[in-house]
Amino acid sequence: IAGITQAPTSQILAAGRRMTLRCTQDMRHNAMYWYRQDLGLGLRLIHYSNTAGTTGKGEVPDGYSVSRANTDDFPLTLASAVPSQTSVYFCASRARGTANTEAFFGQGTRLTVV
Amino acid sequence: AQSVTQLGSHVSVSEGALVLLRCNYSSSVPPYLFWYVQYPNQGLQLLLKYTTGATLVKGINGFEAEFKKSETSFHLTKPSAHMSDAAEYFCAVAAGNQFYFGTGTSLTVIP
Repeated sequence: IAGITQAPTSQILAAGRRMTLRCTQDMRHNAMYWYRQDLGLGLRLIHYSNTAGTTGKGEVPDGYSVSRANTDDFPLTLASAVPSQTSVYFCASRARGTANTEAFFGQGTRLTVV
Repeated sequence: AQSVTQLGSHVSVSEGALVLLRCNYSSSVPPYLFWYVQYPNQGLQLLLKYTTGATLVKGINGFEAEFKKSETSFHLTKPSAHMSDAAEYFCAVAAGNQFYFGTGTSLTVIP
C-alpha cells in the first residue's frame, strides 16, 4: 500500500543523545515536511524540502536538522536531545507543482526525552 | 501571510446532533483550504478540500464545509454526529508549497 512510513513508532531517549527519525514515502512526491504536534499548539512545521537536494527551515527548526538525498527519504535528526523536544513527530509529503494538492501524513513517532 | 484560526479547542455534541467546527483563515492569495481528522494515536487523514469552483465541498464520513470568501471562513459541518466522529480536527490553508495548520478542535460525542 502506497504511503508514508515513519520509524520508530515510539522512543524514549536520554537527554543529550543523538536521534534520527526516519521517514520514507513511495508516492514519488517532491515535497516533504516534518511537523511536531504538541497539546494546544497544533502542528508546527520544523523543516521542509521542496525537492531532493533542497531543504528549508520551518517555524521551529532549532535543535533539528534534515537531509534530502533522494526523493523517497527525509530523515529528521536531533543532534543532542532536550526534554522540550518531547513530542509527537509527523512526516508528510505532497505532490509539488500545484498548491491545491493535499498532504499525506505518516502515523507519527512519539518521542519522550528524559 | 497565511494563517488559520480554529475557534474552540474543544467541542461537545450529543449523538445525532449537528456538528459545527469553525475555521477562519487569513491569506494574501486565493486560498486552498483543507480539513483533516486525526483519530487517537494515528496520523492525519484528509476529510475534504476546497480549491476552486463550488464553494460547498463534500467530504468523507458525511462531513461538508462551505468556503465563504466574504467571511474568510471554512466551517466544517455534519448534520448528525456519530460516536465514531470523536477525534481531533484540523483546518489548514495552503500557500505555495507550505501548509499552515490551525491549533485543532477536539470533538467529543456524548451518547
